[in-house]
Amino acid sequence: KAGVTQTPRYLIKTRGQQVTLSCSPISGHRSVSWYQQTPGQGLQFLFEYFSETQRNKGNFPGRFSGRQFSNSRSEMNVSTLELGDSALYLCASSRSYNEQFFGPGTRLTVL
Amino acid sequence: AQSVTQPDIHITVSEGASLELRCNYSYGATPYLFWYVQSPGQGLQLLLKYFSGDTLVQGIKGFEAEFKRSQSSFNLRKPSVHWSDAAEYFCAVVGSGAGSYQLTFGKGTKLSVIP
Repeated sequence: KAGVTQTPRYLIKTRGQQVTLSCSPISGHRSVSWYQQTPGQGLQFLFEYFSETQRNKGNFPGRFSGRQFSNSRSEMNVSTLELGDSALYLCASSRSYNEQFFGPGTRLTVL
Repeated sequence: AQSVTQPDIHITVSEGASLELRCNYSYGATPYLFWYVQSPGQGLQLLLKYFSGDTLVQGIKGFEAEFKRSQSSFNLRKPSVHWSDAAEYFCAVVGSGAGSYQLTFGKGTKLSVIP
């Protein structure tokens, strides 16, 4: 059974640009969540999508957005990038409360 | 709001020694609790989980954790640490019945292993 895949694995952008990250969940999983990981703030929840609907959202500015497609694949977008957006972005796929599987992450560097 | 505290930022143990990583949670209802491990530059791997039943749960790689409701704790243990266990460990909670699978993580404990 294939795991959670995230593309790209590494990304370098400059301030002011926008970026789109992609996550393909495990087959059969309808929930996809996104997390930002930084050395200072740790792992912070961005948002969760379930059956193409945003079910929950963390405390991030509107520059951070996401969507989910009918095949459960999800994308997140960050517009007007800031230096502080440099982080590891992790995607998690799940089918229920008691299982959450993470992808390898996308390392975003903003210069 | 739910929260997770991992009091130890960094722990160093000798290979072969026992290990206990602490985790305290705050949640009003029945929590689902997890331990994840992260190697440098990698994603999170699930070690074990607790959601009901026996309070001592077994996980992968020889890890176990004990849920103590009276102490709001879910400590991770391993009887004998291997050099390959060096990594960062995260405790997390999700609220059952909250209508969302959002995980709340602790800040993590970095484990170093001395050969």
